[in-house]
Amino acid sequence: SYVLTQPPSVSVAPGQTARITCGGNNIGSKSVHWYQQRPGQAPVLVVYDDSDRPSGIPERFSGSNSGNTATLTISRVEAGDEADYYCQVWDSSGDHPGVVFGGGTKLTVL
Amino acid sequence: EVQLVQSGAEVKQPGESLKISCQGSGYSFTSYWIAWVRQMPGKGLEWMGIIYPGDSDTRYSPSFQGQVTMSADKSISTAYLQWSSLKASDTAMYYCARTSSTSSHWFDPWGQGTLVTVSS
Repeated sequence: SYVLTQPPSVSVAPGQTARITCGGNNIGSKSVHWYQQRPGQAPVLVVYDDSDRPSGIPERFSGSNSGNTATLTISRVEAGDEADYYCQVWDSSGDHPGVVFGGGTKLTVL
Repeated sequence: EVQLVQSGAEVKQPGESLKISCQGSGYSFTSYWIAWVRQMPGKGLEWMGIIYPGDSDTRYSPSFQGQVTMSADKSISTAYLQWSSLKASDTAMYYCARTSSTSSHWFDPWGQGTLVTVSS
């Protein structure tokens, strides 16, 4: 089955840029989606189809995807961005097509 | 506003049955797949499966096939997740989410979650 690998944690100072990676075999051929989950809350979609933003999501959130790595970039990081972030794809290969989540990355704002 | 509202927290004993719900509003409930996602305490997100309320077509993750049953009542715009015999390892937060109508399957919005606690 398809595996997505994320770093367990990323730390960044306020105002700096955070980059959270999501690794997978030839992930550049898939559409990658990103979710933010603040403590005690449900996940929220922040980027879909590699680099599109839902309405209401700040332009500070952006995404890219190429080769074996997709990246969520958060510019001008704020304290409120501290959360867990998950990448997700739809894996249509094999006998059991389905959704795959990465293990999640905890973003700490120093 | 597109919204999914889930039923309240449950505390059950091992071996008991349970059915939790997810009611959609603000869109055509029968036109979008609904996904169920498990989050065990302190852990990440796990996809359980999806159901199409229009015809109740279901697709289960192999990890959850045979462990849970998904269903839907389109007359009241509600999807369900049920267990016939709960185990302590079913203790988790369960989320429903609307799946995009495209082939890339993103989830937006999510319900607020239903906390299921199984303990003797």
